[in-house]
Amino acid sequence: EAGVAQSPRYKIIEKRQSVAFWCNPISGHATLYWYQQILGQGPKLLIQFQNNGVVDDSQLPKDRFSAERLKGVDSTLKIQPAKLEDSAVYLCASSRTGGEFGKETQYFGPGTRLLVL
Amino acid sequence: DAKTTQPPSMDCAEGRAANLPCNHSTISGNEYVYWYRQIHSQGPQYIIHGLKNNETNEMASLIITEDRKSSTLILPHATLRDTAVYYCIVRGANDYKLSFGAGTTVTVRA
Repeated sequence: EAGVAQSPRYKIIEKRQSVAFWCNPISGHATLYWYQQILGQGPKLLIQFQNNGVVDDSQLPKDRFSAERLKGVDSTLKIQPAKLEDSAVYLCASSRTGGEFGKETQYFGPGTRLLVL
Repeated sequence: DAKTTQPPSMDCAEGRAANLPCNHSTISGNEYVYWYRQIHSQGPQYIIHGLKNNETNEMASLIITEDRKSSTLILPHATLRDTAVYYCIVRGANDYKLSFGAGTTVTVRA
C-alpha cells in the first residue's frame, strides 16, 4: 500500500510571496489532515477534511492560509502572503474513517519543509 | 492543554529494551493512549495504541497501569534506527485530531 505523498519536499520563499503544497492521501482514505510543525514542537492541526468537506479549520489562519480538497482525494494548502513565522514543516495525514475517530490510525506523509526569508 | 507528561529525553543502549514512560493522570474512561514516533526529517509514524489492556505488535509493547493514569512503551531490542522523538497522546473516542506535546527524544547509542 502506497503511503501519503507530499510535494514539494522543500521550499524557500521570501516573505509576502505565495506558496502551495500538495498532498495525495492513501487510496480509500476519506479523512485528510494538514498539520503544521514548528521547529522543536509537536505537530499542530490546521485543518481536517472528510471527503471534500471541511470538518475543522478552527486553527487555520484564514487571512493567509487556504486549503481545498476537490473531488475528495488530493488536497492543496496555500499560504498567501507568507510571513517569517510560517517557516515550518507542513505535514499531511490521512485516515480511513470507518468508525470512531479515536480508534483510527492517522498515517503521515514526509512533510514539506518551508523556509520563509 | 497537554494531557500527557513525558521526560524530555532519554538514552538507551543498542540491543537493550527501551522503556518510555508517560503520565496521563486525567485520562477518562473512553480515551485511548496512542504512541507515535518521528524520526528526523520524516513524518510521525504510528506505533501502537490501547484503551485498557496491554497491547503488543511487531514494533513495541504498550503497558497501561490498572488505574490508567500512566503507561510505558517498550521497544524490546532498541536499534540505532529507533532514535527518534516519541509522542504519547491521549485521544478520546470522538477526537479526530492528534494533540502532540513535545515528546521524548530517545537516543539509541551503540
